Amino acid sequence: DAGVTQSPTHLIKTRGQQVTLRCSPISGHKSVSWYQQVLGQGPQFIFQYYEKEERGRGNFPDRFSARQFPNYSSELNVNALLLGDSALYLCASSGTPDGGELFFGEGSRLTVL
Amino acid sequence: SQQGEEDPQALSIQEGENATMNCSYKTSINNLQWYRQNSGRGLVHLILIRSNEREKHSGRLRVTLDTSKKSSSLLITASRAADTASYFCATDADGNNRLAFGKGNQVVVIP
Repeated sequence: DAGVTQSPTHLIKTRGQQVTLRCSPISGHKSVSWYQQVLGQGPQFIFQYYEKEERGRGNFPDRFSARQFPNYSSELNVNALLLGDSALYLCASSGTPDGGELFFGEGSRLTVL
Repeated sequence: SQQGEEDPQALSIQEGENATMNCSYKTSINNLQWYRQNSGRGLVHLILIRSNEREKHSGRLRVTLDTSKKSSSLLITASRAADTASYFCATDADGNNRLAFGKGNQVVVIP
């Protein structure tokens, strides 16, 4: 069975641009979460979606947005990119939205120049 | 915001030795989880311990949880070179799968 897949794996953008990252959860998983991991730090929670509804949002500016599609895949959008947005963006899926383990993808590494 | 704080931050051991990492947190939790990450890749779930549990085992892993001290430890026994990775503790405060991660523990196992 395929795990969580993310695309693209690497990308380079310049300040002010916009980026869209994509995630396909494990088949049957209806909950998707997004995390940002800056080099040398632990991941930070950005968004959680379940059944296409936003269930939680971390402490990130409105430049960050996301959505979940009917097939439970998800997109993370970041507008007006800043140098500080350079990070590994991780998507995770889970079978339930409550109290269980997360299955992470390999991440999308974003570099903002 | 970061919740867990691992200690020590970096650990270098010989193959076959045991590795112990500690994690402290500030608020009450529903569960605490440990994850492994190899070279900036995706995280792999290792073990989950709920707030009403004190100890849990999985293969060569042993996790303890002391909610009165708001701390947890991860023990890897008989370490192998393949255990070289960063290890993160993550707390789930409300059981809603929104995890707060620590900064991570870098473990190097020397063959």
